[in-house]
Amino acid sequence: GDSVTQMEGPVTLSEEAFLTINCTYTATGYPSLFWYVQYPGEGLQLLLKATKADDKGSNKGFEATYRKETTSFHLEKGSVQVSDSAVYFCALRNTGNQFYFGTGTSLTVIP
Amino acid sequence: EAGVVQSPRYKIIEKKQPVAFWCNPISGHNTLYWYRQNLGQGPELLIRYENEEAVDDSQLPKDRFSAERLKGVDSTLKIQPAELGDSAVYLCASSPRRGEQYFGPGTRLTVT
Repeated sequence: GDSVTQMEGPVTLSEEAFLTINCTYTATGYPSLFWYVQYPGEGLQLLLKATKADDKGSNKGFEATYRKETTSFHLEKGSVQVSDSAVYFCALRNTGNQFYFGTGTSLTVIP
Repeated sequence: EAGVVQSPRYKIIEKKQPVAFWCNPISGHNTLYWYRQNLGQGPELLIRYENEEAVDDSQLPKDRFSAERLKGVDSTLKIQPAELGDSAVYLCASSPRRGEQYFGPGTRLTVT
């Protein structure tokens, strides 16, 4: 079946460091891909999305590129801030409109 | 635009008691989802509605869980009776047809 695998956490970085969170997927057809962020005590918020191969989603300095050849959608940010501390979820929506989420990666940014 | 509203935010009950959660989706969103999120895990779908119709409830434990979405708007999710393993955050999300999901803040359930 369809699934999402993302790198295990937790990840701890110093402020202004470069961030990469790996995400790979398994799906038939051409899914849409998403990154969601969850701050403590809150629901998930959409961070960025890409709906077809080679699309790049971007928001708030975060970027991810839909790579069909490697079935990946890695999240990157060039310079993280303390306020980026949260849990990040990679997700896909398949052609049947079903969503699958990864297990989440906890990020802590220290000043 | 108002977001997805859920209530209550927190609920503590004893095992074998019933509990209900309520969700009001974003106006105009046809699709409504209920997820369960265990600690340290991603959301897992319990049920998905397209308007009033439950189109995907394969992961809903039907012996104790039930859900309804009257008139294709608000939805309730019920557990009866609750078990210790039901302790989790229950998330509601809505989306326009084939659009991205918008999540509510969730209901944190603790079963003692």
